[in-house]
Amino acid sequence: AQSVTQLDSHVSVSEGTPVLLRCNYSSSYSPSLFWYVQHPNKGLQLLLKYTSAATLVKGINGFEAEFKKSETSFHLTKPSAHMSDAAEYFCVVIGAAGNKLTFGGGTRVLVKP
Amino acid sequence: GAVVSQHPSRVICKSGTSVKIECRSLDFQATTMFWYRQFPKQSLMLMATSNEGSKATYEQGVEKDKFLINHASLTLSTLTVTSAHPEDSSFYICSVQWRGDSLHYEQYFGPGTRLTVT
Repeated sequence: AQSVTQLDSHVSVSEGTPVLLRCNYSSSYSPSLFWYVQHPNKGLQLLLKYTSAATLVKGINGFEAEFKKSETSFHLTKPSAHMSDAAEYFCVVIGAAGNKLTFGGGTRVLVKP
Repeated sequence: GAVVSQHPSRVICKSGTSVKIECRSLDFQATTMFWYRQFPKQSLMLMATSNEGSKATYEQGVEKDKFLINHASLTLSTLTVTSAHPEDSSFYICSVQWRGDSLHYEQYFGPGTRLTVT
């Protein structure tokens, strides 16, 4: 079985400052990990994915995440937050069968002007 | 990636009626689709896995007779909420399973359907 823990339910940053969203996972095998973003009343958009290639993964909109096996972490970062980054972010691990997703609880990002 | 649509985007129905939600894969044939439910300020909960040409696989605690899933073609899966009650009000999201250029699966999500039962 696998699980995902997003350590912060809410993160508030000022526009132009860095964003850090923390995610820890538990898995009995080498996992595939994803970050999705959800804007209000919208579906989920894939930001980036880790699938056992490079440990530093670059995604869309300036986001990147680093897979650290020793720390079982997959934290999401962005050097400079934009107002449009205000949304809910989900860290996700894919199941052993290769299809079922396990979602973290989500982190709501607020960007202050 | 894959492009997924849902219809309707919003629906309001009276208690006791049934509502059908469509999920379409627009640019590739999806043998597997998923249905999720999301309550306000919460994460997504997988309801069922929809397999083309066979019965859906429901997660524990999800009533299959209440949430009817039909995946009759490779581009369309439908979720019917039967005899809806106010507690069924939620945001329903579908996704399609896509195997890209790697050996790993990805899921692409529809825009969601907001169901309100009065």
